[in-house]
Amino acid sequence: GENVEQHPSTLSVQEGDSAVIKCTYSDSASNYFPWYKQELGKRPQLIIDIRSNVGEKKDQRIAVTLNKTAKHFSLHITETQPEDSAVYFCAASNANTGFQKLVFGTGTRLLVSP
Amino acid sequence: DTEVTQTPKHLVMGMTNKKSLKCEQHMGHRAMYWYKQKAKKPPELMFVYSYEKLSINESVPSRFSPECPNSSLLNLHLHALQPEDSALYLCASSQRGFSGNTIYFGEGSWLTVV
Repeated sequence: GENVEQHPSTLSVQEGDSAVIKCTYSDSASNYFPWYKQELGKRPQLIIDIRSNVGEKKDQRIAVTLNKTAKHFSLHITETQPEDSAVYFCAASNANTGFQKLVFGTGTRLLVSP
Repeated sequence: DTEVTQTPKHLVMGMTNKKSLKCEQHMGHRAMYWYKQKAKKPPELMFVYSYEKLSINESVPSRFSPECPNSSLLNLHLHALQPEDSALYLCASSQRGFSGNTIYFGEGSWLTVV
């Protein structure tokens, strides 16, 4: 089955800096890679996703890159703000089954200091 | 409307009790999911329903019994739980399709087994 590794487990940055979180996956059949942000006591919320036919996707301060050959994908947050502080989870799925069997990474706790 | 509604938000139950968690969505999604999340861990898939049929059971103990009465509702019946089953239980839904469709999570039900 799929296995997703995520690094680092914690990341502390100063406000305005960039943050990068990296994930690797094992199953070459995976073709859908979402990123979720989870604030303390709240539900995971999708912040960006990428499909295997795309190498990069941007949404304002957030971008995701995918390298299918190396089986890794990364989340980039620019101009970080204190409200970006949360736990971030990457995930991978084979969407060809018609439903999402997401396998999550272990999470990265991001702390943005003012 | 991208809401997945879960009730109750908090539940405390004894090991001999029978209780149920409920989930509802009105987005027309035909795939619904139960995830379990322990503190500081990623969500773990428990069950997937596709078109009201159980498609995946991730070797979940029989003390957890899912039910999908119709395309909008998903229940999780709980019986004879153990204290280690205390966790956040997340319901989610997605469109059934082959393009990697977004999974929408509910706010979760916090379960404490005493």
